[in-house]
Amino acid sequence: ETGVTQTPRHLVMGMTNKKSLKCEQHLGHNAMYWYKQSAKKPLELMFVYSLEERVENNSVPSRFSPECPNSSHLFLHLHTLQPEDSALYLCASSHTGGTGGRNGELFFGEGSRLTVL
Amino acid sequence: KQEVTQIPAALSVPEGENLVLNCSFTDSAIYNLQWFRQDPGKGLTSLLLIQSSQREQTSGRLNASLDKSSGRSTLYIAASQPGDSATYLCAVSGNTPLVFGKGTRLSVIA
Repeated sequence: ETGVTQTPRHLVMGMTNKKSLKCEQHLGHNAMYWYKQSAKKPLELMFVYSLEERVENNSVPSRFSPECPNSSHLFLHLHTLQPEDSALYLCASSHTGGTGGRNGELFFGEGSRLTVL
Repeated sequence: KQEVTQIPAALSVPEGENLVLNCSFTDSAIYNLQWFRQDPGKGLTSLLLIQSSQREQTSGRLNASLDKSSGRSTLYIAASQPGDSATYLCAVSGNTPLVFGKGTRLSVIA
């Protein structure tokens, strides 16, 4: 138990569906992250929220839309995805940093395994 | 742009052996370096965090060292056990959030 909880753990969706991934952290951190993990590739940073404000998105396609309503919750809204978007999506949080780096220790959730048909 | 490389990509050792995993990074202006463990289909578990001003950190059978000037870190695992089998990832934080290597997949054979 890392203090970061992701739901759902597994998701299968068609290319025309709309779904959301949810992340919740119970660590009192002020920065939250979405990472994508594909086979044979390093983890790719998608979005960073620091103090609930998004300040970096790393050129992620607009079919991925993040939302951070407060410092404990982070969502990733998905719509009209492509099969190549199938991957493990990991949420993380840290005590400091976020946007400009210099982050404290990162704690990850178990991930949401997404399959796009 | 920071790049992180981990060698070897995969490693298989007999139980009880001591082993070293390597991590190198191209930009030495880092804030900290973190080692993680990932089991198949699972998230990442933080093992050790080394601040840029530190040379090493220890936790149980694990020891991580950092040589910032040469852009290198090593993770030493003593007396390996089958339960240590996992993928080990290295990540560095500098002026951008964590940049990850591809990991080393470790198998410890009983």
